[in-house]
Amino acid sequence: AQKVTQAQTEISVVEKEDVTLDCVYETRDTTYYLFWYKQPPSGELVFLIRRNSFDEQNEISGRYSWNFQKSTSSFNFTITASQVVDSAVYFCALSEGGAQKLVFGQGTRLTINP
Amino acid sequence: DTGVSQDPRHKITKRGQNVTFRCDPISEHNRLYWYRQTLGQGPEFLTYFQNEAQLEKSRLLSDRFSAERPKGSFSTLEIQRTEQGDSAMYLCASTEGNEQFFGPGTRLTVL
Repeated sequence: AQKVTQAQTEISVVEKEDVTLDCVYETRDTTYYLFWYKQPPSGELVFLIRRNSFDEQNEISGRYSWNFQKSTSSFNFTITASQVVDSAVYFCALSEGGAQKLVFGQGTRLTINP
Repeated sequence: DTGVSQDPRHKITKRGQNVTFRCDPISEHNRLYWYRQTLGQGPEFLTYFQNEAQLEKSRLLSDRFSAERPKGSFSTLEIQRTEQGDSAMYLCASTEGNEQFFGPGTRLTVL
């Protein structure tokens, strides 16, 4: 069965610090997709990134970067020079199979203090 | 059409009442998903549609829950005889095959 684990329940850092959110997944499939979503206080899930299982290249988008390592079944997310607006709950998710339904981790609540 | 919309945004009901939620996906997205999110947890999959066909239902979806997507566009999720344990955020998402775009959710409170 698929499973996503986000071991960090809450993280609190001071603005401008770098922060890494961990994500570990379990799946039996060789073809799957990994995602990160942001859920600000307003509640709407905002898509950040999608990665397929055949592409292990790291990705950088502005202050955001993602490190995908199949060997450790991890898909970690780093925010560089964090800002107060980054405060939110972040979810890692996995999808597989024809349905492509998402299996979410429990989320990491990130608080950036000014 | 700029995104997925859901109506209502909030619903308060008494135990035992029926409630119905609506989701309007992004135009021409052929897949529509329903998820439920309880406080402090990640969303959990309930069901999904490919056009008008309901192709998969989670074990979370008891027989008090029913979902439809009659014309392959908007979808409704009905909960009959609501229970306090049904209190949650109900999220809808749509996709044309890649990333799922989520609506703002309907927060249900059962008293």
